[in-house]
Amino acid sequence: AQKITQTQPGMFVQEKEAVTLDCTYDTSDQSYGLFWYKQPSSGEMIFLIYQGSYDEQNATEGRYSLNFQKARKSANLVISASQLGDSAMYFCAMRDFTGRRALTFGSGTRLQVQP
Amino acid sequence: DAGVIQSPRHEVTEMGQEVTLRCKPISGHDYLFWYRQTMMRGLELLIYFNNNVPIDDSGMPEDRFSAKMPNASFSTLKIQPSEPRDSAVYFCASSFSLPGTTDTQYFGPGTRLTVL
Repeated sequence: AQKITQTQPGMFVQEKEAVTLDCTYDTSDQSYGLFWYKQPSSGEMIFLIYQGSYDEQNATEGRYSLNFQKARKSANLVISASQLGDSAMYFCAMRDFTGRRALTFGSGTRLQVQP
Repeated sequence: DAGVIQSPRHEVTEMGQEVTLRCKPISGHDYLFWYRQTMMRGLELLIYFNNNVPIDDSGMPEDRFSAKMPNASFSTLKIQPSEPRDSAVYFCASSFSLPGTTDTQYFGPGTRLTVL
């Protein structure tokens, strides 16, 4: 069974600074994908970034990057130059590529960006 | 391109009533997922379809819940009879399983269901 752990219920960051949101995962599968989603107060789930288990490079998408450490089973999201609009819940999720296609989600981290 | 469309966005009903949630996936996507989000349990899968065929319904809570996908552009999730504990946000998501792609799931805006 897969498990995602996000140990930070809430985080604060000053505008324009970088912030790291932690995510650790547990799986016995060798082929899997890791995803980060953003859920603003309006409620929608917005896909941010993806990392495959066999990808050698850490994923980047604009101000988002994923610090992937496979041996430690961690996939931390780094947001650079935080903006007020980054205030939201952030969910780490994973799925394996050999079986069930459903995403397993962590409990989320609420990020608040302060001016 | 339009994203995943869900209706209604909000639904308030009384215990015992039938509730139908609707979803239109992104055109061309071959997988469709229904998730439920609650404070207690977080985000959890209810059921998913591939090419309109239900593949895994192990997350459906009980017989009161049913889901259908009559064609590639429409799916429903029905609760009959509804109970207060069904109050949650229900998300529909879709993805495209082309080999070599990330198979990312894109979510609709959700339906916030309140059962009184």
